[in-house]
Amino acid sequence: GQQVMQIPQYQHVQEGEDFTTYCNSSTTLSNIQWYKQRPGGHPVFLIQLVKSGEVKKQKRLTFQFGEAKKNSSLHITATQTTDVGTYFCDSGTYKYIFGTGTRLKVLA
Amino acid sequence: DTGVSQNPRHKITKRGQNVTFRCDPISEHNRLYWYRQTLGQGPEFLTYFQNEAQLEKSRLLSDRFSAERPKGSFSTLEIQRTEQGDSAMYLCASSIGTGGGVNTEAFFGQGTRLTVV
Repeated sequence: GQQVMQIPQYQHVQEGEDFTTYCNSSTTLSNIQWYKQRPGGHPVFLIQLVKSGEVKKQKRLTFQFGEAKKNSSLHITATQTTDVGTYFCDSGTYKYIFGTGTRLKVLA
Repeated sequence: DTGVSQNPRHKITKRGQNVTFRCDPISEHNRLYWYRQTLGQGPEFLTYFQNEAQLEKSRLLSDRFSAERPKGSFSTLEIQRTEQGDSAMYLCASSIGTGGGVNTEAFFGQGTRLTVV
């Protein structure tokens, strides 16, 4: 199946700083999904990107899908403590394959 | 509550015992998935159903694991002769399978945390 690599694995930021996580695939993806898992919680769907070069925004979160549909990024502007959690990308196949994710810690 | 429901939320069992978990997906969802997640790792795919048919099972899944979805609604995951290495969070998810190349979003349950002592 299609595997995606996510970097970084961990990120500690001061509250108010920006944060970006990257998802990379060696093969072209039909779509990509992003999920967030709070500590002690379960993954929750954030967004799906389908089109080449697509950019979607949700308040302080900006999601991009690369032109070649092989990579994606999630950028959070001015992080808040509520952003703490692990962010996973999924390669958009029928069985939702997740990588290790990027664990974000926000220091107040 | 119309979300994905999992029972029990926690299970402590002695090594060698059998355990069974239940998942009730969102009612109109035809696809149901089981995952295992250990600390610091992403959810690891175990198996997947479309309606009552089990379409795929991970090669990582030993013969001690079995899952069913008898009427295409709820599903059970049974682990026989549990081992300490089975200790993990077991997550269930459901989605609507369209049959096309683009997947829809998965809705996860709260999970069942298994501790084997």
